[in-house]
Amino acid sequence: GENVEQHPSTLSVQEGDSAVIKCTYSDSASNYFPWYKQELGKRPQLIIDIRSNVGEKKDQRIAVTLNKTAKHFSLHITETQPEDSAVYFCAAVENNDMRFGAGTRLTVKP
Amino acid sequence: DSGVTQTPKHLITATGQRVTLRCSPRSGDLSVYWYQQSLDQGLQFLIQYYNGEERAKGNILERFSAQQFPDLHSELNLSSLELGDSALYFCASSARGGPNIQYFGAGTRLSVL
Repeated sequence: GENVEQHPSTLSVQEGDSAVIKCTYSDSASNYFPWYKQELGKRPQLIIDIRSNVGEKKDQRIAVTLNKTAKHFSLHITETQPEDSAVYFCAAVENNDMRFGAGTRLTVKP
Repeated sequence: DSGVTQTPKHLITATGQRVTLRCSPRSGDLSVYWYQQSLDQGLQFLIQYYNGEERAKGNILERFSAQQFPDLHSELNLSSLELGDSALYFCASSARGGPNIQYFGAGTRLSVL
C-alpha cells in the first residue's frame, strides 16, 4: 500500500517568512494529492490539492508543487501570518485509498 | 460547517465495552470515510464506503466494523474496547467514489477508561 512521509514534523517561522513542507510517496499509481490544515481541536480542512496531471497549483499565499518522477510534492506558504499556525497534513490517494503523512506542526511567531 | 454531521461529540466508556459512532454525509455525497486520530498523532484511514458498499479498507482492526445504510449515513462500531482505542474519530464524505475532495465532520472524541 501507499506510504507517505512528511517533513519536517515541526516548523517554526517568523511572521512574514515563507514555510515549506515536503512529502514523498511510494506508490506511483497515486494521482491525487490534497493538503489539509487542522487547527487545535478542530476538523481537518482542505486548503489546496493537486492532481497528477499538473505540476504546480497556486491559491493566493499557498502553492503546491508535484514532481511525479521523484514522487514528492511540497506545500509552500508565503508571507506567513500567526493564523497559519496549525498542523498541516499531506495525503496521497491511489484508487480510493487516501494515506496521510504524519503531519507538520507549523508555528508562526509574531 | 462542512455539512458532515457526527454524533456523539464525546463518548466515555469502559474497557471491554462496545460503542457506535454515527456519521451523516453532506447532502448528495455518496462516499463516507472513517479515520482515527490518536493524541498528537496523524490521521489513520480506517475504511471507506461508497453508496452502501465497502470500497477501500485501511488499518482497521478486526474489533471494528462499519456500514453504510440506504440513506447513506454510516456507523462505525467499536467493540471489546481497549485503552489504546481512545482517540478522535473523524468521518469524511465526498461526492464520488474515486479521488475527490473529502469534507470532514467535527469528530467524535472517544475516551476509554
